[in-house]
Amino acid sequence: GESVGLHLPTLSVQEGDNSIINCAYSNSASDYFIWYKQESGKGPQFIIDIRSNMDKRQGQRVTVLLNKTVKHLSLQIAATQPGDSAVYFCAENPHSGGSNYKLTFGKGTLLTVNP
Amino acid sequence: KAGVTQTPRYLIKTRGQQVTLSCSPISGHRSVSWYQQTPGQGLQFLFEYFSETQRNKGNFPGRFSGRQFSNSRSEMNVSTLELGDSALYLCASSLDPGGREQYFGPGTRLTVT
Repeated sequence: GESVGLHLPTLSVQEGDNSIINCAYSNSASDYFIWYKQESGKGPQFIIDIRSNMDKRQGQRVTVLLNKTVKHLSLQIAATQPGDSAVYFCAENPHSGGSNYKLTFGKGTLLTVNP
Repeated sequence: KAGVTQTPRYLIKTRGQQVTLSCSPISGHRSVSWYQQTPGQGLQFLFEYFSETQRNKGNFPGRFSGRQFSNSRSEMNVSTLELGDSALYLCASSLDPGGREQYFGPGTRLTVT
């Protein structure tokens, strides 16, 4: 499959546990943040997004938390399943639209779920 | 609805050659963005096209170029290939520029020898 890095942060959890993946972003002007999941051999898949005027957003089994004070983003996955094993990327966008659209991705975290 | 398709999936070229990669967006999507993914640098934005116009460009040399056709299909070209150009090249489409939800293709794995 596609290797996205030899030195990725890794997180190993047991099936059924909750997972928390963290991301530090750099641009205090970013007003939109996205989490992507990339499985081996596939392109990144959109999971959930959050605007800077929010500090929490929930999806199906996933929750994103945003702490603008320390420029930190986290993705919580409830009841982690083997199918959640993948590399997870956070991305920031200084503008939610318009001509300055340029997604900046973090390095990614490799999540391994043990059955 | 078919997803984003990219061709070819794998490509091997030698230094100095040029290469053209193709991307077909999801039907109805008018914006196409290109990214380079490497183990060392991660995912980096190359450029974005909308209505056949380049709207935004990342920090890559002029050897990297692209275009978009009237049917929204896009191609990117890399000339005078270097070993460091070996990477996974990803295309993503969205309905509009700066779209919140970008849908990625599986990528083209380029190896330069």
